[in-house]
Amino acid sequence: EPEVTQTPSHQVTQMGQEVILRCVPISNHLYFYWYRQILGQKVEFLVSFYNNEISEKSEIFDDQFSVERPDGSNFTLKIRSTKLEDSAMYFCASTGGSMGYNEQFFGPGTRLTVL
Amino acid sequence: AQSVTQPDIHITVSEGASLELRCNYSYGATPYLFWYVQSPGQGLQLLLKYFSGDTLVQGIKGFEAEFKRSQSSFNLRKPSVHWSDAAEYFCAVGARGSQGNLIFGKGTKLSVKP
Repeated sequence: EPEVTQTPSHQVTQMGQEVILRCVPISNHLYFYWYRQILGQKVEFLVSFYNNEISEKSEIFDDQFSVERPDGSNFTLKIRSTKLEDSAMYFCASTGGSMGYNEQFFGPGTRLTVL
Repeated sequence: AQSVTQPDIHITVSEGASLELRCNYSYGATPYLFWYVQSPGQGLQLLLKYFSGDTLVQGIKGFEAEFKRSQSSFNLRKPSVHWSDAAEYFCAVGARGSQGNLIFGKGTKLSVKP
C-alpha cells in the first residue's frame, strides 16, 4: 500500500542551525501539508502546498520556515535558524484529487530536537 | 475560532470492555470530522470520517463515531477493546471551504489492561 515516508526519523541540531526535513508523499497526490506536534501538545497545521506554491499557512509558519518541492517526489520543510521552541514532531501529509476532504495520509514523523 | 477539545488525556480500559473517547468541537457550522489513531513510532492513520448524511459512521478496526450537532460532539466508540487498540487517538476537524488543513485535539492516550 502506498505510504508517505519521512526522513530522518530523528534529527538533533544546535540552536541557530538550519535543518531540512524531507518527505516523500504518495506518488499521485497533489496536495501536501506539514504539521507539527510539540511534546504534550496538539498537532498543529503549519502549511499546505499545491501546484508548486503555498496554499495556506498558519501563524506558526513565519519567515524562518520554507517549503519546497525540489523534484517530482520530495517535499521539504526548511527551518532556517532553529530555536529551542522548534523542538517537536513534524508530520508530513498528502492527499490526492480535489481539495475537498479526501483523506490526508500522514507520514511517521520526524522528531526534531534543538539543543 | 475553530477548536477541538478532547477532555480525557489518558484512559485505561480492560481488554474486552467497551470504549468511548470524547471529542467536542467549536465551529460556526458543521465541519468535516475525523478520528485518527497513532501507534508508537507510526504516523497518523484515519479511523473514520464524517462529512454529511448518517450521523453514525463506521470506521476501520471496529470503531464507530456519532456526530451530535446539538452537543457539538463526535465521540468515538468501540464495543470491545483489544490489546492492539492501545495507542493515541486524535479527533480533528476540517473547515468547509478551506484549503483542507485539519485542526486537531490534544489527543487521548488509550491503555488496555489484560
